[in-house]
Amino acid sequence: DAKTTQPPSMDCAEGRAANLPCNHSTISGNEYVYWYRQIHSQGPQYIIHGLKNNETNEMASLIITEDRKSSTLILPHATLRDTAVYYCIVRANAGGTSYGKLTFGQGTILTVHP
Amino acid sequence: DGGITQSPKYLFRKEGQNVTLSCEQNLNHDAMYWYRQDPGQGLRLIYYSQIVNDFQKGDIAEGYSVSREKKESFPLTVTSAQKNPTAFYLCASHIGGAGNTIYFGEGSWLTVV
Repeated sequence: DAKTTQPPSMDCAEGRAANLPCNHSTISGNEYVYWYRQIHSQGPQYIIHGLKNNETNEMASLIITEDRKSSTLILPHATLRDTAVYYCIVRANAGGTSYGKLTFGQGTILTVHP
Repeated sequence: DGGITQSPKYLFRKEGQNVTLSCEQNLNHDAMYWYRQDPGQGLRLIYYSQIVNDFQKGDIAEGYSVSREKKESFPLTVTSAQKNPTAFYLCASHIGGAGNTIYFGEGSWLTVV
């Protein structure tokens, strides 16, 4: 699975958009970009994923560059409860030995302040 | 509600003892996983199972064992051979097939005393 690079920490004001970047320059054609977040001592929570098109759901938007080498997770109106560690992961959506082997890096600690 | 249930949330183990962490899911997912997380670190895969009665080692399987006798259950045993078992353990499941999202339980803290 491709490796990802994220900034170690970011701040955001409550009510503003939080834009979390992720570099995945070695991503291959069949690898999806996934975002999870984890609040201390809880299990990671799925946010969104995409292959090459931009995606939006009730939690966030995912913007993937045309060359797919980077992406941005957007939380449109951040709240205090969005303070968490955000993980960007890329993996192939296929069976075989890579099935389920998500590789989590250090992630980005997002702090939303009043 | 459907989900993944891990128990216990907190567990203390004496050195030399085996302990078993429970993971149950009612999502009808085929695949289940165990991850280990150390403080301030990412998740590392211990074991995973794609189907009942079958499982594969992950990246850090030494000192751990699993079983998959039922689709909904995937217990993890931390054996005395695991030299540094104190960690946060996460169970996850995956729908398999066309599905591609992995869902996680709330985790279990294991401390060796």
